[in-house]
Amino acid sequence: DIQMTQSPSSLSASVGDRVTITCRASQGIGTSVHWYQHKPGKAPKLLVYAASSLQSGVPSRFTGSGSGSDFTLTISSLQPEDFATYYCQQSFLTPYTFGQGSKLEI
Amino acid sequence: EVQVLESGGDLIQPGGSLRLSCAASGFTLRTYAMTWVRQAPGEGLKWVSSISASGVGTHYADSVKGRFIISRDISKNTVYLQMDSLTAEDTAIYYCAKSRRTGTNYGMDVWGLGTTVTVSS
Repeated sequence: DIQMTQSPSSLSASVGDRVTITCRASQGIGTSVHWYQHKPGKAPKLLVYAASSLQSGVPSRFTGSGSGSDFTLTISSLQPEDFATYYCQQSFLTPYTFGQGSKLEI
Repeated sequence: EVQVLESGGDLIQPGGSLRLSCAASGFTLRTYAMTWVRQAPGEGLKWVSSISASGVGTHYADSVKGRFIISRDISKNTVYLQMDSLTAEDTAIYYCAKSRRTGTNYGMDVWGLGTTVTVSS
């Protein structure tokens, strides 16, 4: 199975900060990575698909990049509604594994 | 509006069976792949199973292979997850999600709020 290792697992930041979350795959996976935001009691939300394509309706402060085995999600200027847990997921091969999550706290 | 709504979660004894349903609206299952993802208490998201838009391709996590079956009823526009031989490790919120495209590997753009399965005696 392809392992997806996210870092950091948790981080504290302030409104207006720039934040970067990284995800490393255990093998090369091209650009088959997607990023999700999840808040307690809510449905997960797709932010970025295919490593760098912004999902419709997602603010432009979210940016995905990377290819091969190293990927990043950057939030350019944190807003209050961005405090949540973020997950990467690979869809190169089944099982379509998720990273362990990165909890972003105030 | 495009949305999915899960149902069928319950408290079930170990060894028991349960069938989850995911009713899709605003789109047809003939056009999009569908996936089940679960989140155990205090843990992250875990992919469980996917079915392609054609209904021919199905995939499972190793932890559920041989115990869970994903299927769909086009006439009801509903996806199912039949879960047998349940154990405490299957306790989780189960989310249904729609793929962006026909294949299972394009990312999931519409998710439900989930249905809770608790396996306990």
